[in-house]
Amino acid sequence: KNEVEQSPQNLTAQEGEFITINCSYSVGISALHWLQQHPGGGIVSLFMLSSGKKKHGRLIATINIQEKHSSLHITASHPRDSAVYICAALILPGGSQGNLIFGKGTKLSVKP
Amino acid sequence: GAGVSQSPSNKVTEKGKDVELRCDPISGHTALYWYRQSLGQGLEFLIYFQGNSAPDKSGLPSDRFSAERTGGSVSTLTIQRTQQEDSAVYLCASSWGGTGQNEQFFGPGTRLTVL
Repeated sequence: KNEVEQSPQNLTAQEGEFITINCSYSVGISALHWLQQHPGGGIVSLFMLSSGKKKHGRLIATINIQEKHSSLHITASHPRDSAVYICAALILPGGSQGNLIFGKGTKLSVKP
Repeated sequence: GAGVSQSPSNKVTEKGKDVELRCDPISGHTALYWYRQSLGQGLEFLIYFQGNSAPDKSGLPSDRFSAERTGGSVSTLTIQRTQQEDSAVYLCASSWGGTGQNEQFFGPGTRLTVL
């Protein structure tokens, strides 16, 4: 079992829909990252969370440390949001400060 | 440019040859990371450099893989005696600090194909 699990694996939405992608982890973490990988392969860091909630434009990320769960929300989705969304956790204890454990990604397709 | 750069963007090599992949991090970033993404697979951590500390090599899949970071800046990932299973996109990232709690900036990757 992967230490970082994402759901759903694939998601198709209509433009304008509210989207939620989930990430759960089975061990203690010190930080969780949300990344976006575009169809061309480029990766962009969206958020880094260690607690609470962060918002950037139409994107919102939340984390519940007690429940070992994080969510990425996209409001008013747009076709340009189509990408693979990846969560990555810095697992403690034992891992180095640089060793992120990645989920397998959620492939989002937003139809016009 | 101000971003992380990697070279070459594509590399095709024959099984058994050695390859070197280069990463130029953002100036001033003390932490540098190498990851691998095989076709249809998720990202996989390979190695991590932070300042002058000994690198964390725990993700390197075999002793054919090694990496250096000269002068705290440019890094080279070397794969010796390449195998077909080494075919993947190799991604480099850098960040200001090395706690894993800093935003990582990713390079465009090097697509390695081993024939």
